[in-house]
Amino acid sequence: GQQVKQSSPSLTVQEGGISILNCDYENDMFDYFAWYKKYPDNSPTLLISVRSNVDKREDGRLTVFLNKSGKHFSLHITASQPEDTAVYLCANSGGSNYKLTFGKGTLLTVTP
Amino acid sequence: DAGVTQTPRHEVAEKGQTIILKCEPVSGHNDLFWYRQTKIQGLELLSYFRSKSLMEDGGAFKDRFKAEMLNSSFSTLKIQPTEPKDSAVYLCASSPTGNTEVFFGKGTRLTVV
Repeated sequence: GQQVKQSSPSLTVQEGGISILNCDYENDMFDYFAWYKKYPDNSPTLLISVRSNVDKREDGRLTVFLNKSGKHFSLHITASQPEDTAVYLCANSGGSNYKLTFGKGTLLTVTP
Repeated sequence: DAGVTQTPRHEVAEKGQTIILKCEPVSGHNDLFWYRQTKIQGLELLSYFRSKSLMEDGGAFKDRFKAEMLNSSFSTLKIQPTEPKDSAVYLCASSPTGNTEVFFGKGTRLTVV
């Protein structure tokens, strides 16, 4: 089964709006949660990450919210800009095995 | 700065051939990952090494895919024999240690005809 799930394959937001990207996971042993950004024909790069001992982490326009009881985490991007248009991949790992498992991604399109 | 280096960048193989993809992780990184990237399945983990030891060999990919890490600075992924459904981008990535940032190479685009 799919251990990390991004239910929305795509999302369109107007410039200046808030983009909310969601991710659900199955394994409650996960203790590291990350969001990666991927441009077409490029490899993913880390945007922001959080460990399970916090519920929220902010970095500029980015905020990660972690809901451990709901096995859900999300990425909020405020003041969305056309340059934010990309595929966003959630990922997590933890327990005794540190392999990083990715969701299938959400294509965010920010329209001017 | 030397990131993750993958060669070749592109590979075209005939069905049934054996191909070997290569990866040099970031110097000093303990963890190395091989992923396959397709539009339908996204990023699928093929193999995972920790300090050169194979921690995971990707389950469904076992029969024709074999990754090796003979030393801490070099890994290979062998696909034998190749099939058209193997056409994808193969990404190598490394990480200093568990549960930290993973750095990806630029990938090898494999086309099997």
